[in-house]
Amino acid sequence: GAVVSQHPSRVICKSGTSVKIECRSLDFQATTMFWYRQFPKQSLMLMATSNEGSKATYEQGVEKDKFLINHASLTLSTLTVTSAHPEDSSFYICSATGTGRRYGGNQPQHFGDGTRLSIL
Amino acid sequence: LAKTTQPISMDSYEGQEVNITCSHNNIATNDYITWYQQFPSQGPRFIIQGYKTKVTNEVASLFIPADRKSSTLSLPRVSLSDTAVYYCLVANLPNSGGYQKVTFGTGTKLQVIP
Repeated sequence: GAVVSQHPSRVICKSGTSVKIECRSLDFQATTMFWYRQFPKQSLMLMATSNEGSKATYEQGVEKDKFLINHASLTLSTLTVTSAHPEDSSFYICSATGTGRRYGGNQPQHFGDGTRLSIL
Repeated sequence: LAKTTQPISMDSYEGQEVNITCSHNNIATNDYITWYQQFPSQGPRFIIQGYKTKVTNEVASLFIPADRKSSTLSLPRVSLSDTAVYYCLVANLPNSGGYQKVTFGTGTKLQVIP
């Protein structure tokens, strides 16, 4: 249980292109979804937190007009990197938390397998 | 916001028990401690979660002392496939959702040696 699917797994595109990444919770309803960015040999950096039907909360230093997040349903969130440039190349990872009681009072995050974005 | 401190790296021989300790001196009353495993070019995978004392599942044990200022992930009899980065995360993510500032630490790179 608690499977999160992220698509695509890898994207290579030209500078100036907009790229959309999808994150789906396959077998549970995701109350909250998180988007992270990870550079090589570094830890995960939280970009934004989103709840279904409401605007995402972006972390300091993350441009909300650059990284558009939509959490339209309890099973789907999307991250769109608009007008991507080489410095946006990174590993993007989403996670989701559910509402079940399996884990008691705290919901662990369940992660997708990430999207490797390469901007030429 | 509870920060975490872990050793940057550890080596262990195959078949040995590995204990990775995480310090979280500023843990809040409602915070839980969750451990994740990450392989290269993959998302982190949930290992175990606890609030206090000891928790055990099929793959690991988690020891949390009474003051909760640290926690230890114990991996019994590691194999080569356990080579990965292990993160401890301290956070309160309730069923009701909402905004939570989640901060991953540096993680511990475990290298299992044959």
